[in-house]
Amino acid sequence: DTAVSQTPKYLVTQMGNDKSIKCEQNLGHDTMYWYKQDSKKFLKIMFSYNNKELIINETVPNRFSPKSPDKAHLNLHINSLELGDSAVYFCASSEYGSNEKLFFGSGTQLSVL
Amino acid sequence: ELKVEQNPLFLSMQEGKNYTIYCNYSTTSDRLYWYRQDPGKSLESLFVLLSNGAVKQEGRLMASLDTKARLSTLHITAAVHDLSATYFCAVNSGGSNYKLTFGKGTLLTVNP
Repeated sequence: DTAVSQTPKYLVTQMGNDKSIKCEQNLGHDTMYWYKQDSKKFLKIMFSYNNKELIINETVPNRFSPKSPDKAHLNLHINSLELGDSAVYFCASSEYGSNEKLFFGSGTQLSVL
Repeated sequence: ELKVEQNPLFLSMQEGKNYTIYCNYSTTSDRLYWYRQDPGKSLESLFVLLSNGAVKQEGRLMASLDTKARLSTLHITAAVHDLSATYFCAVNSGGSNYKLTFGKGTLLTVNP
């Protein structure tokens, strides 16, 4: 079983559309994250949730809205997609306060046309 | 604001050679990570370094941490083609939260 799974793997859409990316982890972790990797491979944190509570919210347009229905799931909804939103979005999970590594999902390649 | 700088950003080396990737960071942190990313793939954790003087080794890769100098190194010994990938260092600035700030990555190409 995949530890951190994201769907879809690829997402191609038109400007102005609304789309969602789903993430699930089966590691029993209590904290989940969204990271964005741009075309130059630069990775930046967007959000973090601990036990369904938002704990990190970086400077991200409010068109991006994370939702965590339970601690094993963290979804990312994006409204009114723009060209600049094209990137790879990675979900990750960890155990809060531990010294263990962060586990990443396989990424969602979003292309906005 | 925490800044993490890696160098070099591009590294082309011959099989069998040794080389070091450097990661400097600007403020105190309690954790430093090294990740590997193959093209089109996810990030694979290589090392977690927690204390000054920490050294970890896995195969041909060895990572070290000097918290006083705010410097970590990833040393590659006798490189092989399979090590070709992008290597990222990341520094935690969020305490118990994993608010990782990543370096720009080092694209390593090992040539036969």
